[in-house]
Amino acid sequence: AQSVTQLDSHVSVSEGTPVLLRCNYSSSYSPSLFWYVQHPNKGLQLLLKYTSAATLVKGINGFEAEFKKSETSFHLTKPSAHMSDAAEYFCVVSESNAGNMLTFGGGTRLMVKP
Amino acid sequence: GAVVSQHPSWVICKSGTSVKIECRSLDFQATTMFWYRQFPKQSLMLMATSNEGSKATYEQGVEKDKFLINHASLTLSTLTVTSAHPEDSSFYICSARPSGKAGELFFGEGSRLTVL
Repeated sequence: AQSVTQLDSHVSVSEGTPVLLRCNYSSSYSPSLFWYVQHPNKGLQLLLKYTSAATLVKGINGFEAEFKKSETSFHLTKPSAHMSDAAEYFCVVSESNAGNMLTFGGGTRLMVKP
Repeated sequence: GAVVSQHPSWVICKSGTSVKIECRSLDFQATTMFWYRQFPKQSLMLMATSNEGSKATYEQGVEKDKFLINHASLTLSTLTVTSAHPEDSSFYICSARPSGKAGELFFGEGSRLTVL
């Protein structure tokens, strides 16, 4: 069975400072991992995905995430936060043996202070 | 990139009426589409898996007769909330998987339903 835990429900940073959104997963098989962003009253936008290629994945808008199998983590980072980064972020896991069904983390709300 | 369109994006209806939400894959065919529900400040909850040409597969606790799903073509799935009540008010999001591409999933913009 697969599961995802986003360790922080809220993260607040100042504009221009680094962003770290934490995600730990549990998976019986080699998973695919995703980060999605959701702006208020909007759908989901894919930031980046890991599918067993390079462990350091670069996404859109300057975000990146590193797959660490030993730590079962897939934390999302960005060197410098921008006001427009304020949104809800979801870490998602998918297993091929689960029919590629997505399991969503609880979400982390990122707030960016000016 | 692939585009999934949902319509309407906002809908307000009276209690007891039915509301249909459409999910269309605009530039690809999707054998499988998924419907999610999102309560305020919460994560997405998978409601059902919609398969073209066959009955939808509902998650535990989701009422089949309440949330009717039809996937009549490779580019369209519909979710009908029947006899809507205020507790059905929520944000509904669909996603679609291009046929033959495991792992790729594209999301619609979501539809906010408010039942008065």
